[in-house]
Amino acid sequence: DTGVSQDPRHKITKRGQNVTFRCDPISEHNRLYWYRQTLGQGPEFLTYFQNEAQLEKSRLLSDRFSAERPKGSFSTLEIQRTEQGDSAMYLCASSGSGATGPTDTQYFGPGTRLTVL
Amino acid sequence: GESVGLHLPTLSVQEGDNSIINCAYSNSASDYFIWYKQESGKGPQFIIDIRSNMDKRQGQRVTVLLNKTVKHLSLQIAATQPGDSAVYFCAENQGQGKLIFGQGTTLQVKP
Repeated sequence: DTGVSQDPRHKITKRGQNVTFRCDPISEHNRLYWYRQTLGQGPEFLTYFQNEAQLEKSRLLSDRFSAERPKGSFSTLEIQRTEQGDSAMYLCASSGSGATGPTDTQYFGPGTRLTVL
Repeated sequence: GESVGLHLPTLSVQEGDNSIINCAYSNSASDYFIWYKQESGKGPQFIIDIRSNMDKRQGQRVTVLLNKTVKHLSLQIAATQPGDSAVYFCAENQGQGKLIFGQGTTLQVKP
């Protein structure tokens, strides 16, 4: 399977605990994005990387959230001191650099569903 | 603020009929739009995209129409099949690939 993969698919945690999610993009893609999706809503942009550089962060990404992409390949999203409001689907997407034009198609992974009790 | 929205939360169609899903956007500077399909428990799946210098683009059984005058785009699905049942999102590219999604339209296909 050469698509975007995410792990785990489901995570249940207690309030106050830390959680970490992983995303493996399509291998030749150098852009990686994180989105959050709550029930009945469209995905909301959180942050994106070009290679290992984190180029933009949404105001939705509070200080408890941190994302990394240390080698420009896979990425991790960590949430510290989880709150019930963090319960959502966390989606990862990847795309090419845009070198061939102003935009590139983003391909999404299956998501990680987080439930905070 | 600027946003992308859809006209109807739910659309129910008969199998074999054509479906039309609508989306209104408010940012007149937007130059790239994408339609995604999302099935239950899965991530959004790219369907088709269109740039602002185009009015129409066709794919396999799908057509996207863009009306910049009224800031409206639509997704047409020909000969709708049960497998087309899903939530459909329009998304606006706000630069550097940052996508702004609408709330989605649930398409229900009746056999």
